[in-house]
Amino acid sequence: GNSVTQMEGPVTLSEEAFLTINCTYTATGYPSLFWYVQYPGEGLQLLLKATKADDKGSNKGFEATYRKETTSFHLEKGSVQVSDSAVYFCALNGRGGSEKLVFGKGTKLTVNP
Amino acid sequence: GAVVSQHPSWVICKSGTSVKIECRSLDFQATTMFWYRQFPKQSLMLMATSNEGSKATYEQGVEKDKFLINHASLTLSTLTVTSAHPEDSSFYICSALTSGRKDEQFFGPGTRLTVL
Repeated sequence: GNSVTQMEGPVTLSEEAFLTINCTYTATGYPSLFWYVQYPGEGLQLLLKATKADDKGSNKGFEATYRKETTSFHLEKGSVQVSDSAVYFCALNGRGGSEKLVFGKGTKLTVNP
Repeated sequence: GAVVSQHPSWVICKSGTSVKIECRSLDFQATTMFWYRQFPKQSLMLMATSNEGSKATYEQGVEKDKFLINHASLTLSTLTVTSAHPEDSSFYICSALTSGRKDEQFFGPGTRLTVL
């Protein structure tokens, strides 16, 4: 079945540091890939997505590229801010009309000033 | 836009009682709603999918008589945990799809259930 593996946290960085959160997946067919973010006390929000190989999703300075050859969708940001402190979830859904999401375990990021 | 609320945000109950959790789409009509369960330091596990006006579809291993889901309107779905036990203690999260944006689920803030 479909599964998502993302790097264990927590991750603690200083402001303006470079961020990478690794995500790899196992899926049949050609899934769509997502990164969701959960700020303290709030629901999950879609951060970015990619629907086919080599697509790059980007939003709020975050980027992730759909790499079919390595089955990866790593999240990156060149310069993190304190306001980026949150839990980040990598997820996928299958094609063929399925909207079911399969999530990774989440990675907690803390950015210190 | 696309706000989903859950009520209550947290609840404590005694073993053997039933608890109802509401999930509402505040500014859109939700054709489909999902219920997830999240254990500490674990990923979100899909419990069931519900479409307005029809019976929910439960994932393998989820007891449908234990976790009753009702999606009676396009803005409200409820999850009732019947005869709750301590092992049902968890974080329950709902999400909603609107017909216009089927590639994005909008999530509620979650409900923390503790069964004593």
